[in-house]
Amino acid sequence: KNQVEQSPQSLIILEGKNCTLQCNYTVSPFSNLRWYKQDTGRGPVSLTIMTFSENTKSNGRYTATLDADTKQSSLHITASQLSDSASYICVVTLGGYNKLIFGAGTRLAVHP
Amino acid sequence: DAMVIQNPRYQVTQFGKPVTLSCSQTLNHNVMYWYQQKSSQAPKLLFHYYDKDFNNEADTPDNFQSRRPNTSFCFLDIRSPGLGDAAMYLCATSNQGAEGYTFGSGTRLTVV
Repeated sequence: KNQVEQSPQSLIILEGKNCTLQCNYTVSPFSNLRWYKQDTGRGPVSLTIMTFSENTKSNGRYTATLDADTKQSSLHITASQLSDSASYICVVTLGGYNKLIFGAGTRLAVHP
Repeated sequence: DAMVIQNPRYQVTQFGKPVTLSCSQTLNHNVMYWYQQKSSQAPKLLFHYYDKDFNNEADTPDNFQSRRPNTSFCFLDIRSPGLGDAAMYLCATSNQGAEGYTFGSGTRLTVV
């Protein structure tokens, strides 16, 4: 079954600290993996997209990694800011289809 | 800026009263999608258009319909909204192969 699992479900960190969110997937065939940030009441905004051959990609303070062998990805946030408070969703595209498989998301709260 | 625009941001409708949500795009993507997202859940794909070809998900209720009069616009029609249809509705677009997948900001629907 094509699934994307994220951990932790929720996370609270202090402003300025780093954190890492995890994503494991069983989607096959695999096309690409995306991380989205979704603020409350808004649509998801793309942070990174990685194909099979890419194992790291950065977007400012966000760095995503991909291990296609173990089917794991992580999103590392450096020097967190209050505005990083949001849900972070890992999404895998099913190869050969226009179909995205969504994880349930990690809800991150950054406290001052 | 090229983007996906959803109107309105917030929509209140009465139980059983038909409602239409709209989505427009300036990306010239050939695929347009409608998702339903309930609180703290991952988005659920309702249907998508590949050019003019309509593709319905098997578990999408008949109460939900869609129209795509041209490349730029796509509409979601809810024929008889129930209380359970209250949710965030997300429009997304992509080109062939699900590249450049872009979400709109969403329309939050309230049913009273």
